[in-house]
Amino acid sequence: GAVVSQHPSRVICKSGTSVKIECRSLDFQATTMFWYRQFPKQSLMLMATSNEGSKATYEQGVEKDKFLINHASLTLSTLTVTSAHPEDSSFYICSAAGVVGNNQPQHFGDGTRLSIL
Amino acid sequence: KNEVEQSPQNLTAQEGEFITINCSYSVGISALHWLQQHPGGGIVSLFMLSSGKKKHGRLIATINIQEKHSSLHITASHPRDSAVYICAVHPERDKLIFGTGTRLQVFP
Repeated sequence: GAVVSQHPSRVICKSGTSVKIECRSLDFQATTMFWYRQFPKQSLMLMATSNEGSKATYEQGVEKDKFLINHASLTLSTLTVTSAHPEDSSFYICSAAGVVGNNQPQHFGDGTRLSIL
Repeated sequence: KNEVEQSPQNLTAQEGEFITINCSYSVGISALHWLQQHPGGGIVSLFMLSSGKKKHGRLIATINIQEKHSSLHITASHPRDSAVYICAVHPERDKLIFGTGTRLQVFP
């Protein structure tokens, strides 16, 4: 089946550091990639949707200057948490879809656990 | 009220038991996903349904569009089935809405 690789799997860093998370589709071209955030024992919350070659669409309440998303190619999207603070500690997970539109499966990465000290 | 409700929230079972997890939703949808999230956090897509029933190994998923309800069944459960099972729906717009998940523990 389709594989999405997310890297790194875990990050521990000091407050004020910027952290970049990569999401790659390994065997298909991902027209659309989604970035989610998950707090412990809660459901996934969509942060933003990125389409290759265009600006990401952010959900209400998500600061676009804080969470920079780049989808420069059909196989790679990156999420950069800028000047991270302890409240940004969370589990971040990406998914990728090959075709825009409903009834298309999303393939999820393994997630990145971010801990800000 | 959440647009996607799952029950039960937590479920424990003995190895070999038949397990059912339910999902009810309140919006019009074009498809429904069942996802499995392991303790490490990674998510695997189990099924995508728009009608009827699908089977894969020991897993069966059904959906009733009129009643806005779906079930995930696991036959002959095994400790390796222990995970969080998440129901997610595709409403008419192109964004998934997730349920809060059902935490399953299967004991040997």
